[in-house]
Amino acid sequence: EAQVTQNPRYLITVTGKKLTVTCSQNMNHEYMSWYRQDPGLGLRQIYYSMNVEVTDKGDVPEGYKVSRKEKRNFPLILESPSPNQTSLYFCASRTGTASDEQYFGPGTRLTVT
Amino acid sequence: DQQVKQNSPSLSVQEGRISILNCDYTNSMFDYFLWYKKYPAEGPTFLISISSIKDKNEDGRFTVFLNKSAKHLSLHIVPSQPGDSAVYFCAATVWDGNKLVFGAGTILRVKS
Repeated sequence: EAQVTQNPRYLITVTGKKLTVTCSQNMNHEYMSWYRQDPGLGLRQIYYSMNVEVTDKGDVPEGYKVSRKEKRNFPLILESPSPNQTSLYFCASRTGTASDEQYFGPGTRLTVT
Repeated sequence: DQQVKQNSPSLSVQEGRISILNCDYTNSMFDYFLWYKKYPAEGPTFLISISSIKDKNEDGRFTVFLNKSAKHLSLHIVPSQPGDSAVYFCAATVWDGNKLVFGAGTILRVKS
């Protein structure tokens, strides 16, 4: 089954404790992206990657890092989480064709206390 | 400064009637627009899209209309079904598709 998986689905952590949210896709997609969803703001793009070793900032990259060492994986790293990063996070992927739809993962609910 | 705006946080429609969800954008460089649907505890799923060279795209019960001069697009669902109850996000991108800008979403409730 074609899918985007994220782990963990739920995470509660404390300020400053480094964490990684993993994202993996099995569709051999070139493009992957991370979003956060907040009430009243919709989804905002954090980072995206057009292919292995090629990443770029979205609209809200501050406080986040990403890496794309393999085509299927695109982890989101929070080096020093803060309460304002409490949010619902989605990973997505698509082919290299700009007009193709993005496939989203199920989401990761992160709470930073 | 939101470049894509969905000014109606929610919409309630009777089953069988038409649902019209609206979206406005400010960036004239956007040339591709998409609608995504989201159920609770799931990721968004693609619904329908439209290129700026068109003014209408239809897929079954779903039709998207684009008015470039007004920087406005709308999603029509006819007839509406209870299973259509979800959050609908409008999104826009420029030619390379790398940055996707979403609106805040509209909650659609279809009453049976």
